[in-house]
Amino acid sequence: QIQLVQSGPELKKPGESVRISCKASGYIFTDYAMNWVKQAPGDGLKWMGWINTQTGKPRHADDFEQRFVFSLETSASTAYMQINNLNIEDTAAYFCTRAKFGYWFAYWGQGTLVTVSS
Amino acid sequence: DIVMTQSPSSLAVSAGETVTINCKSSQSLLYSGNQKNYLAWYQQKPGQSPKLLIYWASTRQSGVPDRFIGSGSGTDFTLTISSVQAEDLAIYYCQQFFDTYTFGAGTKLELK
Repeated sequence: QIQLVQSGPELKKPGESVRISCKASGYIFTDYAMNWVKQAPGDGLKWMGWINTQTGKPRHADDFEQRFVFSLETSASTAYMQINNLNIEDTAAYFCTRAKFGYWFAYWGQGTLVTVSS
Repeated sequence: DIVMTQSPSSLAVSAGETVTINCKSSQSLLYSGNQKNYLAWYQQKPGQSPKLLIYWASTRQSGVPDRFIGSGSGTDFTLTISSVQAEDLAIYYCQQFFDTYTFGAGTKLELK
């Protein structure tokens, strides 16, 4: 069955970096883009961007440029998101979710909680 | 960017009631090429990932109970839950996928 399994929770200090992984199984990895969604505590869902799993080309939402790096390890059917220069406002759950371009999000990872605290 | 406005932000209901959640987009989500509305609805329970309920504004995802009904076109959309069950208590989000992606702020369904 189709699964997206994310890495575990992270506790980081301001200024540090974090890399979250999302391992896909049950489908052809390169058939779907991988999207990333942020959910701050008590807040709603914010689309951060996607990565084209065929070309590796990322597309960032306006609020998530610069510090947010999307990457792939296609041979391992795994997508990564790295957040550099963390700040307190980055404390959130981050979800990966697959979709063909212009389609909805039918499959989601379980979420990775990133806590940024001094 | 397309802005999605949901209302109400919260709703207190009793089991068995019918509820309506509204979602308005800042521009039309109806694509003339296929006459489909690029609007989806999700349900999220505490500590869980969002779950897709509806896509193309009114098509239920496989396995979703038929008490969940999506309707609307253009810029105005509605999610109706008939005969609410205790298991339906959650936050509901609309999402446009017409131009990248944007979510509404969510509607929290609570027990009265």
